[in-house]
Amino acid sequence: EVQLLESGGGLVQPGGSLRLSCAASGFSFRSFAMNWVRQAPGKGLEWVSGISGRGGSTYYADSVKGRFTISRDNTKNMLSLQMNSLRADDTAIYYCAKDTAVNWNYVNYFESWGQGTLVTV
Amino acid sequence: SYVVTQAPSVSVAPGKTATITCGGDIGRTSVHWYQQKPGQAPVLVIYYDGDRPSGIPERFSGSKSGNTATLTISRVEAGDEADYYCQVGDSSSDHRVFGGGTKLTVL
Repeated sequence: EVQLLESGGGLVQPGGSLRLSCAASGFSFRSFAMNWVRQAPGKGLEWVSGISGRGGSTYYADSVKGRFTISRDNTKNMLSLQMNSLRADDTAIYYCAKDTAVNWNYVNYFESWGQGTLVTV
Repeated sequence: SYVVTQAPSVSVAPGKTATITCGGDIGRTSVHWYQQKPGQAPVLVIYYDGDRPSGIPERFSGSKSGNTATLTISRVEAGDEADYYCQVGDSSSDHRVFGGGTKLTVL
């Protein structure tokens, strides 16, 4: 069974930094691209970032490009999101989401989701 | 920026059929659908326009015609009450984009 467990959320001042983590289990982590998707309070879903299975390719929404960095450690089955220069409109639940193939492609979808971690700026 | 539109809300009586649509320049890309109940993470219910993941009831089906994709829920139950989001890919930006979501209310 796929399990994705996010951590690292919390309260941070504008301009500050936070690092989110997602511990993955139940599947071959290195064989799948991964993503972060967020949801502001009472709002819809927004894709934030994606990374290929080997970590060599990364993708970012325009709203976070240059401020957020996605990475992964395939030896520890861990996905991370380093968030810098945080703003009030970054306040959201951040979900870790498993992709459908090793290479990230815009046509694909989010196969499994974690329960999310709340970031408040 | 790439825009995908959904009606904010749809209401349906139990046992009837709910139709939720997703529109935009989506004719040449695949559409995926997610169900999100209050306080829970989203769940994939339809992928690649009309394929259903294992464990999703056959009552859920998807289709696409031109620039409109449709999620159809037959014999609606109270437990189907949720927000439903469509998601597509934008080839020009290499981004994935969600529609604004549709709140399904079961009367």
